[in-house]
Amino acid sequence: EVQLVESGGGLVQPGGSLRLSCAASGFTFSSYEMNWVRQAPGKGLEWISYISGSGTTIYYADSVKGRFTISRDNAKNSLYLQMNSLRAEDTAVYYCAKRRLADYWGQGTLVTVSS
Amino acid sequence: DIQMTQSPSSLSASVRDRVTITCRASQSIANYLNWYQQKPGKAPKLLIYAASSLQSGVPSRFSGSGSGTDFTLTISSLQPEDFATYYCQQSYGTPYTFGQGTKLEIK
Repeated sequence: EVQLVESGGGLVQPGGSLRLSCAASGFTFSSYEMNWVRQAPGKGLEWISYISGSGTTIYYADSVKGRFTISRDNAKNSLYLQMNSLRAEDTAVYYCAKRRLADYWGQGTLVTVSS
Repeated sequence: DIQMTQSPSSLSASVRDRVTITCRASQSIANYLNWYQQKPGKAPKLLIYAASSLQSGVPSRFSGSGSGTDFTLTISSLQPEDFATYYCQQSYGTPYTFGQGTKLEIK
């Protein structure tokens, strides 16, 4: 059974940093591209980052480019999102999702940016 | 960036109704169009990928069609568990943009 479990969310002050993790199981992690998608409270879905299975191809949405870094450790079956220079508008539930067509999603982790 | 526009934004319908939601892309995306269902407090669930392919385990009352710029999601006979928010997403090119969502409510 495919499982994706995010962790690392929480309350952070504007300008601060957080590192999200996504633990994957039930599939050959290194064979699949992964994405991060977020959803601000009461709002729609926003794709924010993609990483290929090998980690060599990476894309970001303009809204996070230069502030967020996606990475993966295939030996640990884990996906990461390093978030720096956080802003109030980054407040959202952050989901990891398998493949660009997002066939499996984690349960999400809430990031709140507030002073 | 490719803009995805869904209509309607909200929809009231009854159990056993046939419902259609449309999604329009700002440029051709071939068939790189996916549909998701999201219920409150839950992660989205993939329903349809590649415009018309039914994801494993999804009931056959859900169907998708279209190519190029115009796409539809159809629910042939609404069931109580289908009341949710539906999103389209293009996976043709980054950023992989989503539509704004269609909230399907009980009439």
